[in-house]
Amino acid sequence: DIQMTQSPSSLSASVGDRVTITCRASQGISNYLAWYQQKPGKVPKLLIYAASTLQSGVPSRFSGSGSGTDFTLTISSLQPEDVATYYCQKYNSAPFTFGPGTKVDIK
Amino acid sequence: EVQLLESGGGLVQPGGSLRLSCAASGFTFSSYAMTWVRQAPGKGLEWVSTISGSGDTYYADSVKGRFTISRDDSKNTLYLQMNSLRAEDTAFYYCSKLRSSAAGAGGNYWGQGTLVTVSS
Repeated sequence: DIQMTQSPSSLSASVGDRVTITCRASQGISNYLAWYQQKPGKVPKLLIYAASTLQSGVPSRFSGSGSGTDFTLTISSLQPEDVATYYCQKYNSAPFTFGPGTKVDIK
Repeated sequence: EVQLLESGGGLVQPGGSLRLSCAASGFTFSSYAMTWVRQAPGKGLEWVSTISGSGDTYYADSVKGRFTISRDDSKNTLYLQMNSLRAEDTAFYYCSKLRSSAAGAGGNYWGQGTLVTVSS
């Protein structure tokens, strides 16, 4: 099975900073990748699908890129409401594995 | 407005069974794949099972042979029958509507979750 890894596992940044999270698949998955945001005590929210397509209603400061095995989620200007754990998920074929998550907080 | 409401969670002894339900509304249920994702307290998300709009089913290795996903399109309801439960199955279970009828798609709506606790 394809394994999903994320780095870093956690980060602390200042409001307004550019934040980049990396997701790596152990084998190529084309662009079949989604990113989710889970705020503390809340359910996950889809941010991006097809590696780079922004889900409706998601702020434009979020962007995704990548294809094959390496993907990134970028927050162009970190806001206090972006404190959350971010997960990637592959969906090219089952199992539809999630990455371990990246916890983002404010410095 | 899309709504997903899970039910059926609770405390069960190891080896026991539970059936989770997810009542859906606000969209054409039969046209979309549905999935179950779980999250142990304080841990990350774990994909459990997906059923496509046409009824194809997929399972994580950790639950294969023990869990069964199904859907009743006439009742707009998704189910997860969980047998031979283990302590490691303890988690919040979320149902999610996928973006398409295909099993491979992101989940764009999520329920609030139901807690399953497996303990003696």
